[in-house]
Amino acid sequence: TQLLEQSPQFLSIQEGENLTVYCNSSSVFSSLQWYRQEPGEGPVLLVTVVTGGEVKKLKRLTFQFGDARKDSSLHITAAQPGDTGLYLCAGGAAGTASKLTFGTGTRLQVTL
Amino acid sequence: KAGVTQTPRYLIKTRGQQVTLSCSPISGHRSVSWYQQTPGQGLQFLFEYFSETQRNKGNFPGRFSGRQFSNSRSEMNVSTLELGDSALYLCASSLTRSTGSGANVLTFGAGSRLTVL
Repeated sequence: TQLLEQSPQFLSIQEGENLTVYCNSSSVFSSLQWYRQEPGEGPVLLVTVVTGGEVKKLKRLTFQFGDARKDSSLHITAAQPGDTGLYLCAGGAAGTASKLTFGTGTRLQVTL
Repeated sequence: KAGVTQTPRYLIKTRGQQVTLSCSPISGHRSVSWYQQTPGQGLQFLFEYFSETQRNKGNFPGRFSGRQFSNSRSEMNVSTLELGDSALYLCASSLTRSTGSGANVLTFGAGSRLTVL
């Protein structure tokens, strides 16, 4: 069974701070996605990475896929209250691209 | 462009009953997948349908079933409800079903929150 562990589980920071969320597994994934979910809504896809060592930037968010494709990280620079939400990583295996293994989740709260 | 629509948004059932949840994907999307989200287990894959065929199935008992219609709309059914079935059931649609190393771009609906008493 593939498992994705995220750390930390909870993070409460002030506006302007930087943070990193980690997503680790003992299994290799062909792709890794990051989602953000807000209360009462479904997860929204932020990014997909498919190549080991790949780094993608989305404004203040930087995503990295580990060289061995077993882990990933999400770094947020100068967090804003609008970044508040549940961050989920999700790994996909080749040929079963909608059958994602989701991580345990990191709940982020950014206060003024 | 309308998003993924799930109905009903909220429902309450009692143990032993059955429930049917509906999902209307984004127009043109042919792949629909279902996930269960609970505080303890997080998001877990239930099944995926593509062109009316179940392509993948997660590790859930046979009480959980689904189907997809020719217009790509999908339903999932849970029979003989148990207290542990209380969860947010999420549907996601995607344009294609990737068979390579890439990942599908999933668009999730807001979910159907089921409470079993």
